[in-house]
Order: sequence, then C-alpha cells, then structure tokens
Amino acid sequence: QVKLVQSEAEVKKPGASVKVSCRASGYTFTNYAMNWVRQAPGQGLEWMAWISAYNGNTNYARKFQGRVTMTTDTSTNTAYMELRTLRSDDTAIYYCARDVDPFSTSWYNPWGQGTLVTVSS
Amino acid sequence: SFELTQPPSVSVSPGQTATITCSGHMLGDKSTAWYQQKPGQSPVLVIYEDTKRPSGIPERFSGSNSGNTGILTISGAQVMDEGDYYCQAWDSSTAVFGGGTKLTVL
Repeated sequence: QVKLVQSEAEVKKPGASVKVSCRASGYTFTNYAMNWVRQAPGQGLEWMAWISAYNGNTNYARKFQGRVTMTTDTSTNTAYMELRTLRSDDTAIYYCARDVDPFSTSWYNPWGQGTLVTVSS
Repeated sequence: SFELTQPPSVSVSPGQTATITCSGHMLGDKSTAWYQQKPGQSPVLVIYEDTKRPSGIPERFSGSNSGNTGILTISGAQVMDEGDYYCQAWDSSTAVFGGGTKLTVL
C-alpha cells in the first residue's frame, strides 16, 4: 500500500536549518506531487509548498519563499523539505502528503506520520 | 488573501447528523476537500472535489459546496467520528485550510 515515512524529530537552535525527509513506497514516485504542510502545537494546518516528483517544479507559499527548499531524490523515492533561519514560531509538526491524483496538485492522501521540529535556544 | 472560516466546535449526540460549515468568498466556484484529524494522528482525507469519498471512507460522510459555503455532513455520527475537521480549497495556486472544527459526539 502507499506509505510515506518521515525522518525523526529534530531540535534546533534559532537561526539554524532543518531538513526533513519523506520516503515513499507503494506507488510510482515520479507520477505524483508531494506536498508539505505544518501544524504548530494546538493549531491548525498550514500549507507550505508542493514539488513535482516528475520534473522538480515547485510552488511555495508566499510566507515561506526564500526560506524553504523542496527537493526530491528519485533514486530513493524520497522528498525533502529544508527550512532555514529557524525561529521559535517554526516549532511545529511537519507533514509530507501525496496528491490524490497523478500529475496534479489538489488534495492530499495519504499523509506521512509527521516530524516534530522544535526550535529552542 | 483568501480565507476559509469554520466554527471552532460542533457537538452532536450519537446517531444524529453533524454539519460542519466552511465559509469563503465565492467558495462555490472552487473545489473543496475535508480532512479528519484525531488526537496524535495525521490528517485523513474524507471528502475531495466537494462530494467524492476516498475508498475506505464510510458512506455517512458527504459533502456539498455552493455559494460561499462548503458543508461536511456526517449522517448518523458515531463516537469514532470525534476529532478535528479541516476544509481546504485552492486560490491563486495556493492551498488554503480552514481553522478547523472540533467535533464532539456524546
């Protein structure tokens, strides 16, 4: 079955960078876009960006432009999200989520288990 | 910027119909999706393209979208349906989520 397995929790200091991975299995990786969504403690969902695993095209939410980079490694079926210049309000669970339909960007199913990133001095 | 507004909480008794709304300017001209999130778990897609149910989602979940309001309906809500529900739409190449609604079934 389709499965997304994310990297373990991270603790970072303000100003540092974090790179979260999302390893996919159970489907043709290059046929689907991968999305990243985060959720601050006790808060709602916030879309960050998507990346096409087919050609590497990306679309970042305006809020994160210049501070986030999405990449994929098709040899290992893994997507990566790197967030730089971390602040305390970046503390959140970061989810990867695959698109429902191939070669589209729309709705997300399934989701990874989430990676908690804690930013603290 | 485009915003989606949901009521913070909805409460129903088991077996009743739960209705969760999602409001946004001319939302009916866009497609919507709904996600269920239980405590400590990742979100799960329950409705997409306004009315479609992914495989494995019970028939008691249904959706509609018209005018400025999208609606998630859970007919005969069960205790297992408790959780947070988020609507989602797209605007100007940006995915937007509603603030979430906590559904209580008791």
